[in-house]
Amino acid sequence: QQQVKQSPQSLIVQKGGISIINCAYENTAFDYFPWYQQFPGKGPALLIAIRPDVSEKKEGRFTISFNKSAKQFSLHIMDSQPGDSATYFCAARKPGNQFYFGTGTSLTVIP
Amino acid sequence: ETGVTQSPTHLIKTRGQQVTLRCSSQSGHNTVSWYQQALGQGPQFIFQYYREEENGRGNFPPRFSGLQFPNYSSELNVNALELDDSALYLCASSDPRQGVHEQFFGPGTRLTVL
Repeated sequence: QQQVKQSPQSLIVQKGGISIINCAYENTAFDYFPWYQQFPGKGPALLIAIRPDVSEKKEGRFTISFNKSAKQFSLHIMDSQPGDSATYFCAARKPGNQFYFGTGTSLTVIP
Repeated sequence: ETGVTQSPTHLIKTRGQQVTLRCSSQSGHNTVSWYQQALGQGPQFIFQYYREEENGRGNFPPRFSGLQFPNYSSELNVNALELDDSALYLCASSDPRQGVHEQFFGPGTRLTVL
């Protein structure tokens, strides 16, 4: 059973455009929601994260929007660049520091 | 400060064999988690070790086992390998004592089972 559902599976965006990736969860015990970026041959690297008591967090071109009542959260990448082309994973943490990942979104930014 | 390292980088085994993968946690991190990432999928939580004890396990059979050593490094052992065990195995370390949930991933070990 997939505890975190992620969409879309793949995304193609023009340079300078906005990339939006969505995730949903069911388990209300989750208390921390990170997004990871993964390049081929590398492990995932933390991009940005949010706690459920905050509705939005912005770091540079990356923004997380969090809707606790809908149990949904999303990643917005503003001014997308070719270097942002990677696979993005949302995740959710259960107390005990156990993380559950979405299935990933392959982002391609076209120059 | 050194990051998370894993060895070996790649490994090829045949069905039925046993394999041991190794992970060195980031300096000072006392918690290590192991994940299996099948091609085109997100990482799946296998188990976590804290202070040399298993501290949580995902939906993996008992032939997946692990160890954590006093220096916080860890091993993942898989017995009776099956073709579906072919995947990238990721290790991540964290230090909940710091009150930060962030975990740092190693580059992974690519296991191929023939």
